[in-house]
Amino acid sequence: TQLLEQSPQFLSIQEGENLTVYCNSSSVFSSLQWYRQEPGEGPVLLVTVVTGGEVKKLKRLTFQFGDARKDSSLHITAAQPGDTGLYLCAGPLASNYQLIWGAGTKLIIKP
Amino acid sequence: DAGVIQSPRHEVTEMGQEVTLRCKPISGHNSLFWYRQTMMRGLELLIYFNNNVPIDDSGMPEDRFSAKMPNASFSTLKIQPSEPRDSAVYFCASSLRDNTEAFFGQGTRLTVV
Repeated sequence: TQLLEQSPQFLSIQEGENLTVYCNSSSVFSSLQWYRQEPGEGPVLLVTVVTGGEVKKLKRLTFQFGDARKDSSLHITAAQPGDTGLYLCAGPLASNYQLIWGAGTKLIIKP
Repeated sequence: DAGVIQSPRHEVTEMGQEVTLRCKPISGHNSLFWYRQTMMRGLELLIYFNNNVPIDDSGMPEDRFSAKMPNASFSTLKIQPSEPRDSAVYFCASSLRDNTEAFFGQGTRLTVV
């Protein structure tokens, strides 16, 4: 059982559409991180959300941390082919600095 | 900074051979992580070092896997003997001790035939 559940597992949409992907847990996290991984590369950190209810924007990407700090969402407006990749969420275990990882959402934006 | 550097990028080896993967973390980062990524299991933490000391190796699948960090700028992951089921992409990542944001290398794609 994944401590961090990501949905959907796979999403393929047309350029210009909007989308939202989710990262959910039954546990409380002090923070959650979102990474994007492109083929042949390692994951790259996009953003860290720390405060319950926090919203962070990165150009067309909007990240939200749930009020209870158990879930997070990533919304992409007017998706572009360059947004294609595997989106991973991760959060630190309370007892140490290790990260727990979700299985990821594989996103394909078709031109 | 050049980021986390891994070598080789690709490795193809025959079953039973020894494989050594190398990692140079970002200068000043005190934590180093080795991960394995496969389609079936996603990203799995193998071992975690802090200040060159292994803190948690519970993710190391078997005794065939071993990892060392002789100094702050170098780590190795060794598989001996290798098996086809070890085929995966192996990532090294580093982070500051009190900051869990991880910076990944480009990975080593290992194929054991």
